[in-house]
Parts: sequence; C-alpha cells; structure tokens
Amino acid sequence: AQKVTQAQTEISVVEKEDVTLDCVYETRDTTYYLFWYKQPPSGELVFLIRRNSFDEQNEISGRYSWNFQKSTSSFNFTITASQVVDSAVYFCALSEVVSGTYKYIFGTGTRLKVLA
Amino acid sequence: EPEVTQTPSHQVTQMGQEVILRCVPISNHLYFYWYRQILGQKVEFLVSFYNNEISEKSEIFDDQFSVERPDGSNFTLKIRSTKLEDSAMYFCASRPRDRAYNEQFFGPGTRLTVL
Repeated sequence: AQKVTQAQTEISVVEKEDVTLDCVYETRDTTYYLFWYKQPPSGELVFLIRRNSFDEQNEISGRYSWNFQKSTSSFNFTITASQVVDSAVYFCALSEVVSGTYKYIFGTGTRLKVLA
Repeated sequence: EPEVTQTPSHQVTQMGQEVILRCVPISNHLYFYWYRQILGQKVEFLVSFYNNEISEKSEIFDDQFSVERPDGSNFTLKIRSTKLEDSAMYFCASRPRDRAYNEQFFGPGTRLTVL
C-alpha cells in the first residue's frame, strides 16, 4: 500500500539556519510522482516541486533544494538560510500511476517555525 | 494564469443540514478531485471524477457525500446531512489531460464549520 511518512512533526530554527524536512514513501509502483507543498497560516496549498520516479536528479531553486533517493525511498527538502516567511506546514505527497486516478497521498506534514 | 476557484471561502452550518461546496476547475482540465483536511491533520483524498463519473472514492466518501459537474464548468461536493466531524477544510483540485504532467492544481479551499 502507498504511504508517506514525515516523521518530524515540528521543527524550530533560528533565522538564517539551514533546515531539512524529511519525507519517506512506500509504493509498489515503478512509476510514481512525488510532490512538496507549503501550507501557510492562511491555509492554501502552495505547490513547490514535482518529481517523477525516473528523475533522480537533485534540484535547487533559490534557497530550496530537494534530494530524491530511490534507494532509500526518500525525498527530502532543504531550506538554506531560512527566513521567518518560511514558517508554515510542509507536506510531502505521493501519486501512483497504477492507481489510475493519480490521487495524492499526503504525509502528516511538518510544521516549520523560523524564529527571528 | 488560470486557477481553481472555490466558493464560499468559509461556510458555517448546523448539524444535520445539507451543504454544497462549489469549485470551478481550470477550463481545459479533465480530472477533478476533492480532498479534506481536518484542522491540524493531513490532507486526505475523498474522491476523483472523470468523464462525468466517479473514478475512485475513499472510505471517507460515504453515502452522505456526492459530487456533480452540473454545467461543464462547476464541480460540486454535497454533504447531505452534516455531522460535527465534517468540520474541515475542503480542497478542490483539477488536472490536465496530459498524464506526463501529473500536477494537480488546488483551489484555495472552503473551510466548513459544523455547529
């Protein structure tokens, strides 16, 4: 069965620190997609990144970077030089092709608090 | 840039009442979804809809729930007789036809409060 685990419930860092949010997934499918979303206090889901199972290249976008490792079924997210505006809940999600509907399975989220 | 819209942003209702949550997906998208997020918890899949029928539903989506695409633009979620535990944020999402591009586009959500 598909499953996404975000073991870190809450992380607090001081501004300018680097922080890594962990995501471990389980799937029997060979083709799948992984996503990260940010949910600020206003409640909407903000798309951050998409990765498919055939693309293990790490990605950097400004202060954000992602490390996808199929060998450990992990898709971790690092924020470099964190800022107060990064404070939010971050969700990792998995979508399997075999489901046919491509529904998302979300992790339980990690609440990030960046302190000034 | 086109986006998914949802109305209302906040709905307050009495237990036992019927509610309809409305969504306008992106116009050329063909796949539609509803998700639910109870306060402080994860986002959970409710139902997917394609070609005017439900393609998959979760255990949460019982007989109290129904979905409809009444006019080719709106996509609605109806809860027939609301319970206290239906209080949550409800997100609508849509996806384009191209399966290689698997991102779902989420609306801003409707916060439902059942009293």
